[in-house]
Amino acid sequence: SQQGEEDPQALSIQEGENATMNCSYKTSINNLQWYRQNSGRGLVHLILIRSNEREKHSGRLRVTLDTSKKSSSLLITASRAADTASYFCATDLNAGGTSYGKLTFGQGTILTVHP
Amino acid sequence: KAGVTQTPRYLIKTRGQQVTLSCSPISGHRSVSWYQQTPGQGLQFLFEYFSETQRNKGNFPGRFSGRQFSNSRSEMNVSTLELGDSALYLCASSLGQWQVNTEAFFGQGTRLTVV
Repeated sequence: SQQGEEDPQALSIQEGENATMNCSYKTSINNLQWYRQNSGRGLVHLILIRSNEREKHSGRLRVTLDTSKKSSSLLITASRAADTASYFCATDLNAGGTSYGKLTFGQGTILTVHP
Repeated sequence: KAGVTQTPRYLIKTRGQQVTLSCSPISGHRSVSWYQQTPGQGLQFLFEYFSETQRNKGNFPGRFSGRQFSNSRSEMNVSTLELGDSALYLCASSLGQWQVNTEAFFGQGTRLTVV
Protein backbone atom coordinates (compact mmCIF):
# COMPACT_ATOMS: atom_id res chain seq x y z
CA SER A 1 0.00 0.00 0.00
CA GLN A 2 1.10 3.56 -0.62
CA GLN A 3 2.36 5.39 2.43
CA GLY A 4 2.03 8.81 0.88
CA GLU A 5 -1.28 10.41 0.14
CA GLU A 6 -1.24 13.41 -2.09
CA ASP A 7 -3.69 16.20 -2.30
CA PRO A 8 -5.13 17.41 -4.57
CA GLN A 9 -5.21 14.63 -7.14
CA ALA A 10 -5.35 17.22 -9.90
CA LEU A 11 -4.64 20.92 -10.03
CA SER A 12 -5.27 23.30 -12.91
CA ILE A 13 -3.88 26.84 -12.84
CA GLN A 14 -2.84 29.69 -15.12
CA GLU A 15 0.75 30.56 -15.93
CA GLY A 16 2.20 32.89 -13.32
CA GLU A 17 0.08 31.52 -10.47
CA ASN A 18 1.48 29.50 -7.58
CA ALA A 19 0.79 25.78 -7.22
CA THR A 20 0.69 24.01 -3.87
CA MET A 21 0.64 20.25 -3.47
CA ASN A 22 0.43 18.36 -0.21
CA CYS A 23 1.62 14.96 0.89
CA SER A 24 0.82 13.03 4.05
CA TYR A 25 2.50 9.89 5.30
CA LYS A 26 1.92 7.39 8.06
CA THR A 27 5.18 6.35 9.70
CA SER A 28 8.38 8.05 10.78
CA ILE A 29 10.84 8.82 8.00
CA ASN A 30 14.47 9.70 7.44
CA ASN A 31 13.62 12.11 4.68
CA LEU A 32 11.06 12.96 2.04
CA GLN A 33 11.66 13.59 -1.63
CA TRP A 34 9.63 15.22 -4.37
CA TYR A 35 9.75 14.09 -7.97
CA ARG A 36 8.26 15.29 -11.24
CA GLN A 37 7.16 13.02 -14.05
CA ASN A 38 6.29 14.20 -17.53
CA SER A 39 3.73 12.10 -19.37
CA GLY A 40 4.89 8.55 -18.63
CA ARG A 41 8.58 9.30 -18.71
CA GLY A 42 11.14 8.90 -15.95
CA LEU A 43 11.03 10.61 -12.59
CA VAL A 44 13.03 13.81 -12.19
CA HIS A 45 14.37 14.42 -8.69
CA LEU A 46 13.32 17.86 -7.46
CA ILE A 47 14.28 18.15 -3.83
CA LEU A 48 15.03 16.14 -0.70
CA ILE A 49 14.17 17.37 2.77
CA ARG A 50 15.49 15.60 5.84
CA SER A 51 13.39 14.80 8.86
CA ASN A 52 15.24 17.41 10.94
CA GLU A 53 14.58 20.17 8.41
CA ARG A 54 11.42 22.24 8.28
CA GLU A 55 11.79 24.12 5.01
CA LYS A 56 13.93 23.96 1.93
CA HIS A 57 14.17 26.04 -1.23
CA SER A 58 15.41 25.29 -4.72
CA GLY A 59 14.80 27.90 -7.38
CA ARG A 60 11.03 28.34 -7.68
CA LEU A 61 10.40 25.38 -5.40
CA ARG A 62 9.70 25.57 -1.69
CA VAL A 63 9.18 22.44 0.35
CA THR A 64 8.04 22.28 3.94
CA LEU A 65 7.98 19.32 6.27
CA ASP A 66 5.97 18.94 9.46
CA THR A 67 6.94 15.69 11.11
CA SER A 68 4.44 16.18 13.94
CA LYS A 69 1.63 16.16 11.39
CA LYS A 70 3.42 13.74 9.09
CA SER A 71 2.91 16.03 6.13
CA SER A 72 4.83 17.96 3.52
CA SER A 73 3.95 20.55 0.94
CA LEU A 74 5.52 21.54 -2.35
CA LEU A 75 5.02 25.08 -3.57
CA ILE A 76 5.90 26.04 -7.14
CA THR A 77 5.94 29.80 -7.53
CA ALA A 78 5.31 31.71 -10.75
CA SER A 79 4.35 28.54 -12.58
CA ARG A 80 5.07 28.01 -16.26
CA ALA A 81 3.43 25.82 -18.89
CA ALA A 82 6.56 23.65 -18.76
CA ASP A 83 5.74 22.79 -15.13
CA THR A 84 2.80 20.71 -16.39
CA ALA A 85 3.51 17.22 -15.07
CA SER A 86 2.69 14.75 -12.31
CA TYR A 87 4.32 15.42 -8.97
CA PHE A 88 5.06 12.67 -6.46
CA CYS A 89 6.27 12.64 -2.90
CA ALA A 90 8.36 9.68 -1.80
CA THR A 91 9.35 8.61 1.67
CA ASP A 92 11.72 6.05 3.09
CA LEU A 93 10.94 4.29 6.32
CA ASN A 94 12.97 5.05 9.42
CA ALA A 95 13.00 1.40 10.34
CA GLY A 96 16.47 0.58 11.51
CA GLY A 97 17.98 0.24 8.11
CA THR A 98 15.74 -2.48 6.74
CA SER A 99 14.11 -0.36 4.08
CA TYR A 100 17.09 -0.35 1.72
CA GLY A 101 16.26 1.18 -1.62
CA LYS A 102 12.57 1.27 -0.94
CA LEU A 103 10.86 4.57 -1.49
CA THR A 104 7.14 4.63 -0.93
CA PHE A 105 5.31 6.91 -3.33
CA GLY A 106 2.03 8.71 -3.18
CA GLN A 107 -0.43 8.53 -6.07
CA GLY A 108 0.72 11.91 -7.27
CA THR A 109 -0.79 15.26 -8.15
CA ILE A 110 -1.41 16.03 -11.80
CA LEU A 111 -0.57 19.68 -12.37
CA THR A 112 -1.75 21.47 -15.51
CA VAL A 113 -0.49 24.98 -16.14
CA HIS A 114 -2.38 26.82 -18.86
CA PRO A 115 -0.47 29.39 -20.95
CA LYS B 1 27.94 13.38 -15.14
CA ALA B 2 25.82 10.91 -17.06
CA GLY B 3 22.45 10.05 -15.60
CA VAL B 4 20.77 6.72 -15.15
CA THR B 5 20.46 4.82 -18.42
CA GLN B 6 17.78 2.24 -19.02
CA THR B 7 17.57 0.03 -22.07
CA PRO B 8 15.56 -0.66 -24.05
CA ARG B 9 13.09 2.23 -23.89
CA TYR B 10 10.22 0.23 -25.33
CA LEU B 11 9.43 -3.47 -25.55
CA ILE B 12 6.53 -5.50 -26.85
CA LYS B 13 6.39 -9.11 -25.75
CA THR B 14 3.90 -11.94 -25.98
CA ARG B 15 2.32 -13.65 -22.98
CA GLY B 16 4.48 -16.47 -21.72
CA GLN B 17 7.74 -14.99 -22.96
CA GLN B 18 10.47 -13.65 -20.73
CA VAL B 19 12.15 -10.26 -20.80
CA THR B 20 15.35 -8.70 -19.50
CA LEU B 21 15.69 -5.00 -18.77
CA SER B 22 18.96 -3.21 -18.15
CA CYS B 23 19.96 -0.27 -15.95
CA SER B 24 23.28 1.56 -15.74
CA PRO B 25 23.46 3.73 -12.62
CA ILE B 26 25.20 7.04 -12.16
CA SER B 27 28.95 6.62 -11.93
CA GLY B 28 29.93 6.00 -8.33
CA HIS B 29 26.47 4.88 -7.24
CA ARG B 30 26.41 1.34 -5.89
CA SER B 31 22.70 0.96 -5.21
CA VAL B 32 20.14 0.19 -7.88
CA SER B 33 16.44 -0.12 -7.15
CA TRP B 34 13.67 -1.18 -9.50
CA TYR B 35 10.07 0.02 -9.54
CA GLN B 36 6.97 -0.89 -11.50
CA GLN B 37 4.53 1.86 -12.41
CA THR B 38 0.99 1.13 -13.54
CA PRO B 39 -2.09 3.36 -13.68
CA GLY B 40 -3.90 1.21 -11.15
CA GLN B 41 -1.19 0.49 -8.58
CA GLY B 42 1.07 3.50 -9.03
CA LEU B 43 4.77 3.16 -8.27
CA GLN B 44 5.67 -0.06 -6.50
CA PHE B 45 9.06 -1.20 -5.28
CA LEU B 46 10.43 -4.39 -6.79
CA PHE B 47 13.91 -4.85 -5.28
CA GLU B 48 17.20 -3.17 -4.48
CA TYR B 49 20.76 -4.28 -5.12
CA PHE B 50 23.92 -3.00 -3.52
CA SER B 51 27.38 -4.34 -4.33
CA GLU B 52 25.88 -7.31 -6.20
CA THR B 53 23.66 -8.29 -3.25
CA GLN B 54 19.92 -7.99 -3.02
CA ARG B 55 19.22 -6.07 0.18
CA ASN B 56 15.48 -5.60 -0.11
CA LYS B 57 12.59 -7.06 -2.02
CA GLY B 58 9.02 -5.91 -2.61
CA ASN B 59 5.88 -7.96 -2.75
CA PHE B 60 6.12 -9.39 -6.24
CA PRO B 61 5.98 -13.01 -7.42
CA GLY B 62 9.12 -14.99 -8.04
CA ARG B 63 8.76 -14.42 -11.79
CA PHE B 64 10.40 -11.07 -11.12
CA SER B 65 14.11 -11.34 -10.46
CA GLY B 66 17.19 -9.24 -10.76
CA ARG B 67 20.92 -9.12 -10.43
CA GLN B 68 23.71 -6.63 -10.20
CA PHE B 69 27.14 -6.84 -11.72
CA SER B 70 30.48 -5.77 -10.30
CA ASN B 71 30.30 -2.50 -12.26
CA SER B 72 26.95 -1.76 -10.52
CA ARG B 73 24.92 -2.23 -13.69
CA SER B 74 21.74 -4.12 -12.98
CA GLU B 75 19.30 -6.25 -14.89
CA MET B 76 15.82 -7.33 -14.03
CA ASN B 77 14.11 -10.32 -15.57
CA VAL B 78 10.46 -11.19 -15.80
CA SER B 79 9.64 -14.73 -16.80
CA THR B 80 6.35 -16.15 -18.08
CA LEU B 81 4.96 -12.73 -18.88
CA GLU B 82 1.35 -11.94 -18.11
CA LEU B 83 -0.82 -9.17 -19.51
CA GLY B 84 -0.75 -7.49 -16.10
CA ASP B 85 3.01 -7.09 -16.33
CA SER B 86 2.50 -4.32 -18.86
CA ALA B 87 3.95 -1.28 -17.13
CA LEU B 88 6.66 1.32 -17.03
CA TYR B 89 9.68 -0.16 -15.25
CA LEU B 90 11.88 2.40 -13.59
CA CYS B 91 15.35 2.03 -12.23
CA ALA B 92 16.75 4.29 -9.50
CA SER B 93 20.37 4.89 -8.63
CA SER B 94 21.74 6.07 -5.30
CA LEU B 95 24.92 6.02 -3.26
CA GLY B 96 23.36 3.32 -1.14
CA GLN B 97 24.16 4.77 2.28
CA TRP B 98 20.54 4.28 3.05
CA GLN B 99 20.30 5.55 6.57
CA VAL B 100 22.35 8.65 5.78
CA ASN B 101 21.21 9.73 2.36
CA THR B 102 18.46 8.10 0.36
CA GLU B 103 18.48 10.55 -2.54
CA ALA B 104 17.55 8.50 -5.58
CA PHE B 105 17.80 9.39 -9.25
CA PHE B 106 15.67 7.67 -11.85
CA GLY B 107 16.16 6.64 -15.42
CA GLN B 108 13.68 7.27 -18.25
CA GLY B 109 12.16 3.87 -17.80
CA THR B 110 11.38 0.91 -20.02
CA ARG B 111 7.81 0.72 -21.29
CA LEU B 112 6.87 -2.96 -21.46
CA THR B 113 3.74 -4.00 -23.29
CA VAL B 114 2.60 -7.62 -23.07
CA VAL B 115 0.18 -8.76 -25.77
